[in-house]
Formats: sequence, C-alpha cells, structure tokens
Amino acid sequence: QVQLEQSGGEVKKPGASVKVSCKASGHPSTDFAVHWVRQAPGQSLEWMAWINVGNGNTNSAQKFQGRATVTRDTSTSTIYMELSSLTYEDTAVYYCARDGYWSFDVWGRGTLVSVSS
Amino acid sequence: QPALTQPASVSGSPGQSITLSCSGTSSDVGSYKLVSWYQQHPGKVPKLIIYEDNKRPSGVSNRFSGSKSGNTASLTISGLQTEDEADYYCSSYASSGTVVFGGGTKVTVL
Repeated sequence: QVQLEQSGGEVKKPGASVKVSCKASGHPSTDFAVHWVRQAPGQSLEWMAWINVGNGNTNSAQKFQGRATVTRDTSTSTIYMELSSLTYEDTAVYYCARDGYWSFDVWGRGTLVSVSS
Repeated sequence: QPALTQPASVSGSPGQSITLSCSGTSSDVGSYKLVSWYQQHPGKVPKLIIYEDNKRPSGVSNRFSGSKSGNTASLTISGLQTEDEADYYCSSYASSGTVVFGGGTKVTVL
C-alpha cells in the first residue's frame, strides 16, 4: 500500500530555511497529489500547500506564499517542502499527506522542526 | 486563528452518542461537498475518518457518521467507546485549491 516516509527532525536558527522531504512508495504512478500540513505544539492542524506530483502544479495558503516552496523529484517519488525565514512560531511537526480529493488519506509520520537560537 | 469553528471540548459516557460541529462559511463548508474529519490520538498521526461530507474510508467504524446543513458540518459518534477519546479536526476545501481546518475538538469519554 502507499506509504509516505519523511525525513528526520531538524533544529534551525531564526532566519534560516529548512527543507523537509517526503518519499512516496507503493504508488503505481505519479498521478497523485501531496499536501503539507503542520501542527505547532498543542495547536490545531494547519494546511500549508500542495503539489500535483505528475505535473508539478502547486498552490499554498496565502499565509505561506513567498515563504514555502513545494517541489518534487519524480525519478525518486520524493516531494520536498522548503520553508524560509524561520521564526520561533514555525516550530511544529510538519506532515506530508496524500490527496484523496481534498482529503488526506495517507499521512507521513511527521517531521519535527524546532526553531531555536 | 483557524478558519473553521469547532467546540473546544465535548464529552459523553460510554454507549452514548455525541455530535461535534464544524462551522464555516458559504465560501468553504457551504459551497463544496468536501468536508473531511480526522481523529488524532495524543502523539499520533491524524487519521481520516470521514471524507466528502459523509463517506467513510474502508476500515473506519460505522459508529462514525458525517452530515452537513448549510455552512455547518457535523460528526456523530454513536455507541461511544473509550478508544474514541481523542482530538477531532474538520477540514474543508475552500476554493482556488486551498484547504482550511478547524481548531479541533477534544472528546472525553466519562
């Protein structure tokens, strides 16, 4: 079945960038989309962006436009989310999740990004 | 500030039915048949339990049901069980290829 394997936790300083990866396995083609959702400690889920893995089309929440970049490498079925100009408020668990027509039916295990000086 | 409004907490006794609400607007919940619900136990990954307003993924208990009226979606948990104690989040497609979430509801089984 489809699995999403995410990269390990990161510790970054304010102002830095972080790039989180999400490798998809078990999917028969690149005809799928992946979303990025984050969850700050003790907070709710927050949708960030999505990418159509097949054609590379992306979109992001207005809050992250200009700061979050989602890309993919179809040769390795890996999706990347890069977040720049990090602040303490970006400390969160970042999840990738497969699109099930605007629902999220398969999730990665999450990547903890800690922003600390 | 989450775009969708959910009650912070709901509680019930084992065997009871409870209903969680998710209020949006005519730009999201009210315009599309694309409300989803997720269950998240502490320290765990969210799990999809309802999609497209009222559909259940394979393997999800039929004790979970979704409905919608106007700009408000609802999740009903019938025959409440101790393992249902978790946080529940709603989400909705919100036009132009974006998604919004609610603030989450903590369900407590008394």
